[in-house]
Amino acid sequence: QVQLVESGGGVVQPGRSLRLSCGASGFTFSDYGMHWVRQAPGKGLEWVAVIWYDGSNIYYVDSVKGRFTISRDNSKNTLYLQMNSLRAEDTAVYYCAKDGAFGGGDGMDVWGQGTTVTVSS
Amino acid sequence: DIQMTQSPSSLSASVGDRVTITCRASQTISRDLNWYQQKPGKAPNLLISAASTLQSGVPSRFSGSGSGTDFTLTISSLQPEDFATYYCQQTFSPLVTFGGGTKVEIK
Repeated sequence: QVQLVESGGGVVQPGRSLRLSCGASGFTFSDYGMHWVRQAPGKGLEWVAVIWYDGSNIYYVDSVKGRFTISRDNSKNTLYLQMNSLRAEDTAVYYCAKDGAFGGGDGMDVWGQGTTVTVSS
Repeated sequence: DIQMTQSPSSLSASVGDRVTITCRASQTISRDLNWYQQKPGKAPNLLISAASTLQSGVPSRFSGSGSGTDFTLTISSLQPEDFATYYCQQTFSPLVTFGGGTKVEIK
């Protein structure tokens, strides 16, 4: 069945780095845009980044620009989020989500279960 | 960036009630508006895309309307499984934004 599985979360000190992965199955990964969305404890949803089906277009929320990098490997059906210079305010559950279109202009119709990132000394 | 404002932020309702949640965009977004339901500890679930297109498997008691800057999610007859938090989201801009959420609680 259609599935997204995130991994790579954990506890990390401020200023350090972490890389999240999201493995996709059950659909043609290379046909769809992919997003990262996060949710801080007790807070609402915050979109983080999107990458188009072929990696040709990438966009970030301002708060992570220059620190986070979204990428994908279509040969491995995997989405990544490289997070550098982590801050306490990056603490959240991180979800990967599939867009309904090749870019990022449709609804997010498949979500992973989420992976928790805690930034703390 | 396009700001999305949802109201109310929370509401209490009874089973069988008609519930309406509104979402306002800070600029026109055509019909590029989606609605999600999220239950505690779970990932969000897409209910409605393009303002009014019901996703497969979503009960028909859910409906969406609106265009431009003002949008509405309606639950025609609230069921026990509908108690959750609902989010609107715009995809008009490549910088996607969510509303702050509306928590629907049991009265």
